[in-house]
Amino acid sequence: NAGVMQNPRHLVRRRGQEARLRCSPVKGHSHVYWYRQLPEEGLKFMVYLQKENIIDESGMPKERFSAEFPKEGPSILRIQQVVRGDSAAYFCASSPTREGWDEQFFGPGTRLTVL
Amino acid sequence: DAKTTQPPSMDCAEGRAANLPCNHSTISGNEYVYWYRQIHSQGPQYIIHGLKNNETNEMASLIITEDRKSSTLILPHATLRDTAVYYCIAPNSGGYQKVTFGTGTKLQVIP
Repeated sequence: NAGVMQNPRHLVRRRGQEARLRCSPVKGHSHVYWYRQLPEEGLKFMVYLQKENIIDESGMPKERFSAEFPKEGPSILRIQQVVRGDSAAYFCASSPTREGWDEQFFGPGTRLTVL
Repeated sequence: DAKTTQPPSMDCAEGRAANLPCNHSTISGNEYVYWYRQIHSQGPQYIIHGLKNNETNEMASLIITEDRKSSTLILPHATLRDTAVYYCIAPNSGGYQKVTFGTGTKLQVIP
């Protein structure tokens, strides 16, 4: 049973470039969450998606950030025109149900560094 | 979500029990307490959760006070691999995983 997979594990971008972070949930999980962890801080909720639907994006900055979870393929977190403050670890989690806290699995994260 | 408060760091000798406290004095009656841990450079890992009764699984035990205002996560025989940041959270019932993990407790297991 493969867990949540994220790629790339490390991503370096220059200011102004785009960053695309991918998350493949556990097979059979239809609920995906993205979190951001700034250095020395805890994880903060960004967005909650189900297949083809954004359920809650209240934790995501309104500009430059977008997320999708298509019918086929991984969930994508896209950051346009990256700035140094976007440097962080981005974690994806999936669960089989909406409230599956004890069935929630986190991926290993993508560490984004903006030069 | 109920606000949770944890000590920033703790040390524990290898082989001894690690007792990690968490205060959640504003918790409401239907909010569970969940514990996760994050080993360096990895994603968080679910450990255990409870509502009122004490709980035990293969990883840990969770002791919740009768008034539910605090809880303690117990790792009965800490190993070096238990060195991690431990998070206590109390999300709203009926809510999905929309929560901010605080800074947690950094547990250092010492040989």
